[in-house]
Amino acid sequence: DARVTQTPRHKVTEMGQEVTMRCQPILGHNTVFWYRQTMMQGLELLAYFRNRAPLDDSGMPKDRFSAEMPDATLATLKIQPSEPRDSAVYFCASGLRGNQPQHFGDGTRLSIL
Amino acid sequence: QQQVKQSPQSLIVQKGGISIINCAYENTAFDYFPWYQQFPGKGPALLIAIRPDVSEKKEGRFTISFNKSAKQFSLHIMDSQPGDSATYFCAASLTGTASKLTFGTGTRLQVTL
Repeated sequence: DARVTQTPRHKVTEMGQEVTMRCQPILGHNTVFWYRQTMMQGLELLAYFRNRAPLDDSGMPKDRFSAEMPDATLATLKIQPSEPRDSAVYFCASGLRGNQPQHFGDGTRLSIL
Repeated sequence: QQQVKQSPQSLIVQKGGISIINCAYENTAFDYFPWYQQFPGKGPALLIAIRPDVSEKKEGRFTISFNKSAKQFSLHIMDSQPGDSATYFCAASLTGTASKLTFGTGTRLQVTL
C-alpha cells in the first residue's frame, strides 16, 4: 500500500536551532503539499510544488521557512531559526494532478522549547 | 480569511445514531469538496468527496449532501460506531483533486456505547 513517509516523526529542539523535516511522496505523484496543524489555526497550507517547482508558498513565513524538492522522491521543509510559536504538527501530502486525491503522511510533531 | 466554515466543533453521538457535520463555503469557484477523517497521531485520510454537479453521494455508511445554491455541504454518518470516533475535516478546492485545499476547522466526533 503506497504511502507518504515523513521523518522524523517527533522533534524536540531549542529555540534558535535549525529544523529540517523530510517527506517522501508516493512514487509517481507530481504534486507535494506542506501543511501545519495547530489547535488554534487548524490545518494551514504552507506551500506546494508541482513537478518539483514551487507553485504557491504564500502561507509560509519567508524569513525563517524554506521548502525545496531536491528530487522527485524528496521534499524538505526547513525552519531557521526556530521559535516556540513554530511548535505544531507538520504534514506532507502528495497527489497526482487529475482525479487522484491528496494522500497525507503521519506528520512530524515539532516542539520548540 | 476563513473560506470554509465547519460546525459543530465537537459532537457526541450514541452508537447506532446519525452523526451530522455541516460546512459552508464562500468561494463559488470551488469545484471539489472532500471530507477527511483523522485519528490521533495520524494524518488526515480521504473519506468521501463530491463535485458540485451532484447533490448527494453515498459510500457505505457515509453520505455527503451538497446544496450549491446555499453554498453548503454536510457529512452524514449513519449507524455511527465507536470506531468512527475521530476528527473530521471538510475541505474545498479549485480545479480538481490534487490542488490547493482549504480546510474547515474540524469536528471532533465521539461515538459512545
